Amino acid sequence: KAGVTQTPRYLIKTRGQQVTLSCSPISGHRSVSWYQQTPGQGLQFLFEYFSETQRNKGNFPGRFSGRQFSNSRSEMNVSTLELGDSALYLCASSLLGGAGELFFGEGSRLTVL
Amino acid sequence: ELKVEQNPLFLSMQEGKNYTIYCNYSTTSDRLYWYRQDPGKSLESLFVLLSNGAVKQEGRLMASLDTKARLSTLHITAAVHDLSATYFCAVDGFTYGGSQGNLIFGKGTKLSVKP
Repeated sequence: KAGVTQTPRYLIKTRGQQVTLSCSPISGHRSVSWYQQTPGQGLQFLFEYFSETQRNKGNFPGRFSGRQFSNSRSEMNVSTLELGDSALYLCASSLLGGAGELFFGEGSRLTVL
Repeated sequence: ELKVEQNPLFLSMQEGKNYTIYCNYSTTSDRLYWYRQDPGKSLESLFVLLSNGAVKQEGRLMASLDTKARLSTLHITAAVHDLSATYFCAVDGFTYGGSQGNLIFGKGTKLSVKP
């Protein structure tokens, strides 16, 4: 059974640009969550999607957005990148959504110069 | 504010020794999760503890949950080098602020097992 797949794995952007990250959940999982991991702040919740609807959102500015498609694949977008957006972005999927055991992808490491 | 606190944050131990990592949380959640992260890698689910008094063991790791004390422990028995990693505990944010739910993670405990 394939795990959670995230693309791209690594990317470098400059301030002011935007970036789109993609996540394919485990087959059959309808919930996709996104987390940001930084050395200073640790793991912080961005948002959760279930059946194409955003059900929960963390405390991040509006520059961070996401969406989910009918096949449960999800994308997150960060516009007007700032240096502080450099982080590992982790996508996780779960069967039923909400809080529960999450299965994480390998992450997308974003560096903003 | 919902908090999840782990201690210690750094742990250096010798092979063969025992040690315990502690996870305190402030929510009323009765579900707790332990994850492992190797450097540059993703998070791997280790244990899911679903009720008060739950105890789970896998190899040299044993996790327990005391919901009344809002405390979970991850006990390491006879540590080996392969256990070197960062360990995170997490709790449901479900009951906090009435949200649909997400996980609130501790800062992580970086474990280094030396021969």
